Amino acid sequence: GENVEQHPSTLSVQEGDSAVIKCTYSDSASNYFPWYKQELGKRPQLIIDIRSNVGEKKDQRIAVTLNKTAKHFSLHITETQPEDSAVYFCAAKGNTGTASKLTFGTGTRLQVTL
Amino acid sequence: EADIYQTPRYLVIGTGKKITLECSQTMGHDKMYWYQQDPGMELHLIHYSYGVNSTEKGDLSSESTVSRIRTEHFPLTLESARPSHTSQYLCASTPSKSPSYNSPLHFGNGTRLTVT
Repeated sequence: GENVEQHPSTLSVQEGDSAVIKCTYSDSASNYFPWYKQELGKRPQLIIDIRSNVGEKKDQRIAVTLNKTAKHFSLHITETQPEDSAVYFCAAKGNTGTASKLTFGTGTRLQVTL
Repeated sequence: EADIYQTPRYLVIGTGKKITLECSQTMGHDKMYWYQQDPGMELHLIHYSYGVNSTEKGDLSSESTVSRIRTEHFPLTLESARPSHTSQYLCASTPSKSPSYNSPLHFGNGTRLTVT
């Protein structure tokens, strides 16, 4: 089955700096890669996703890049703000049978300091 | 408002008790999931369902069971709770009608279970 690795496990940046979280996946058939943000005590919420036919997607301060050849994808947050502090999870999803479930990474705890 | 609802929000029970965690969604989603998550930690899939009368075990072995008698309802039951079951349980759903259609998960607010 799919295996997703996520790094780093914790990340501390100063307000205004950029943050980058990286994930690798094992199943070359995976074709959907969402990112979730989970604030303390709240439910995970989708912040951005990318499909395998696209190399990059941007939404205001958040961008995701995908390298299918290397089987890795990254989340980029620019001009970080204190409200960006949360745990971020990447995930990968295949297309058929048991591979159609989302497999999550282990999470990155992002702390944005003033 | 269309959403996914979990009850109770918090539950403290003694060892050996039988409990059912409720999950209902009003979005007409076919696919539903249960995840187990220690606070801020990795999400582990324990059960999922692609529709009525369809249930499958997830990646993490669990002593819980689920049922899917109605599209909107996906309860999780622990026949005999133990301290090792202490965790947060998150229910989620997606609108896709086919396993090959990609759409994001919508999560409920979770049930935080403590077994003493």
